[in-house]
Amino acid sequence: RKEVEQDPGPFNVPEGATVAFNCTYSNSASQSFFWYRQDCRKEPKLLMSVYSSGNEDGRFTAQLNRASQYISLLIRDSKLSDSATYLCVVRGGGFKTIFGAGTRLFVKA
Amino acid sequence: GAGVSQSPSNKVTEKGKDVELRCDPISGHTALYWYRQSLGQGLEFLIYFQGNSAPDKSGLPSDRFSAERTGGSVSTLTIQRTQQEDSAVYLCASSLVGQGGNSPLHFGNGTRLTVT
Repeated sequence: RKEVEQDPGPFNVPEGATVAFNCTYSNSASQSFFWYRQDCRKEPKLLMSVYSSGNEDGRFTAQLNRASQYISLLIRDSKLSDSATYLCVVRGGGFKTIFGAGTRLFVKA
Repeated sequence: GAGVSQSPSNKVTEKGKDVELRCDPISGHTALYWYRQSLGQGLEFLIYFQGNSAPDKSGLPSDRFSAERTGGSVSTLTIQRTQQEDSAVYLCASSLVGQGGNSPLHFGNGTRLTVT
């Protein structure tokens, strides 16, 4: 079993749609969680950290369920510029940081 | 301020040659990570350094791969006797430590390695 698993997609959605990505992780001792965004042939960039109580940043909402070892990202009112690969990232107690393989999103006009 | 700097940005080498990839992290970042990303694939963890602790080498794919970090700053990833399957983008990232473990990684632009 992979340490971090994501649905690879692709997700094809129209502008204005709401889309949700899910991620599961295997290490119950994991302590920190992030969502990163990666554009084609670019380096990954931090989208948002994920906090235990859930957190929101504009159109983006992240949730963490430690009991189920599950993280989610919700994007509301999708924009063309949201098209990218979204990476779920999990850090263990020793700071080893593992990336999921990513979920590809295409937002179309 | 300056971000993570990697060099070279592109490297083409012949099969069997050794290569060295360099990473200069953000000043003050004590954690440094190396990842590999093959075309169309996710990021594969290779190794990370944290301060003066022994590095976590659990992701290195073979003994042809090694990395060092001198003076707690610059790191070099060395691949000996390169093979065509080593062709990938090698990404370096650095992170602050001590903020409850919630410090994100900041990536360099990567080194694109092509083994012919």
